[in-house]
Amino acid sequence: DTAVSQTPKYLVTQMGNDKSIKCEQNLGHDTMYWYKQDSKKFLKIMFSYNNKELIINETVPNRFSPKSPDKAHLNLHINSLELGDSAVYFCASSYGAPHGYTFGSGTRLTVV
Amino acid sequence: AQSVTQLDSQVPVFEEAPVELRCNYSSSVSVYLFWYVQYPNQGLQLLLKYLSGSTLVESINGFEAEFNKSQTSFHLRKPSVHISDTAEYFCAVLNTGTASKLTFGTGTRLQVTL
Repeated sequence: DTAVSQTPKYLVTQMGNDKSIKCEQNLGHDTMYWYKQDSKKFLKIMFSYNNKELIINETVPNRFSPKSPDKAHLNLHINSLELGDSAVYFCASSYGAPHGYTFGSGTRLTVV
Repeated sequence: AQSVTQLDSQVPVFEEAPVELRCNYSSSVSVYLFWYVQYPNQGLQLLLKYLSGSTLVESINGFEAEFNKSQTSFHLRKPSVHISDTAEYFCAVLNTGTASKLTFGTGTRLQVTL
């Protein structure tokens, strides 16, 4: 009965590889997000989708491509991984303002 | 655009002592305010929020925060902390509008010791 679930929880991969992280929410929320948390714990929004439509696209390299097949899923595909992509990636969902976000437990990506 | 400042990166405190974690924000539009807590190796959990009405909001585990519009602050307090409160605490603002987004401060590490 997990509200926002992400897979995988851990991901170790070599530079140059392509990888995907999946996210699913069973809360009926309309909006989903991807956040990146760096090694200093700073959280920064990357993307936001509302009913499968991209509404926020921060200054993220175009190697990162989100995809939302339906409003309950938001996946993140990363091409040509770089060392600097190592971080914890959090998926979240919400009904939109003024409601807060519900976060997944995160995916720790390590690029070696 | 909005921003959040958490001046204290770390706050060490003894168990049963009071604590205050400071948060200041800036925004050109109305915002909603949140505190999230992140326990080690876990995701973020909503601790409390201010949307409107009473400026003092409380959580179920004894934390409270007060919205002060004139000082643009939303400080988090607890009168007596427990070892289990050790965690990273994030203040966040959510702007109004169609492309609203939750913007986080840099976090405050609360370290409770005996």
